[in-house]
Amino acid sequence: QKEVEQNSGPLSVPEGAIASLNCTYSDRGSQSFFWYRQYSGKSPELIMFIYSNGDKEDGRFTAQLNKASQYVSLLIRDSQPSDSATYLCAVNRPPTDSNYQLIWGAGTKLIIKP
Amino acid sequence: GAGVSQSPRYKVAKRGQDVALRCDPISGHVSLFWYQQALGQGPEFLTYFQNEAQLDKSGLPSDRFFAERPEGSVSTLKIQRTQQEDSAVYLCASSLISGTGIYNEQFFGPGTRLTVL
Repeated sequence: QKEVEQNSGPLSVPEGAIASLNCTYSDRGSQSFFWYRQYSGKSPELIMFIYSNGDKEDGRFTAQLNKASQYVSLLIRDSQPSDSATYLCAVNRPPTDSNYQLIWGAGTKLIIKP
Repeated sequence: GAGVSQSPRYKVAKRGQDVALRCDPISGHVSLFWYQQALGQGPEFLTYFQNEAQLDKSGLPSDRFFAERPEGSVSTLKIQRTQQEDSAVYLCASSLISGTGIYNEQFFGPGTRLTVL
């Protein structure tokens, strides 16, 4: 089992609909959770982070965290063609004096159809 | 403002050749990370620097990989005796403070695409 798992997709969503992206993680001690967006041929850029159970909203984006079930999700409302990209979930390992790693999922490719 | 820059953007090496990849982080950023990203995969952690100190190198795949950040700013990732399996995009990221906490956004450079023939 991978430490951070995402459905590779592609996930196809009509323009204007809600896109739902999911991520599960294996280490219960993880504390910080990130969603990055990566356009084809480009480098990742941060969309949102979350650390508390529940929802966190930022514009059209909502991150949801459920530590008991060990999943984190990203909802994109009113999807636009410009949202078409690969979405990467990243989770930190439980912090220690020698651990500075973010563990990344393989990403979900999202396609917004006009 | 200036972001993270990497050079070269593309590198083709013959198997067995040594390569050096450079990263210029955002000025003043304490943390610097190197990642390897294969096609269709997420980034894989290689190593972490806090200023000039290499605090975590657990992700380096073999002793052919070496990284340094001697003055706490520019970093170089060196790969000796390159192999075909080293072909990937090498990403550098910097962040303002130490660690991987929630307020420590990592800013990525454009990457170096390494192809080993």
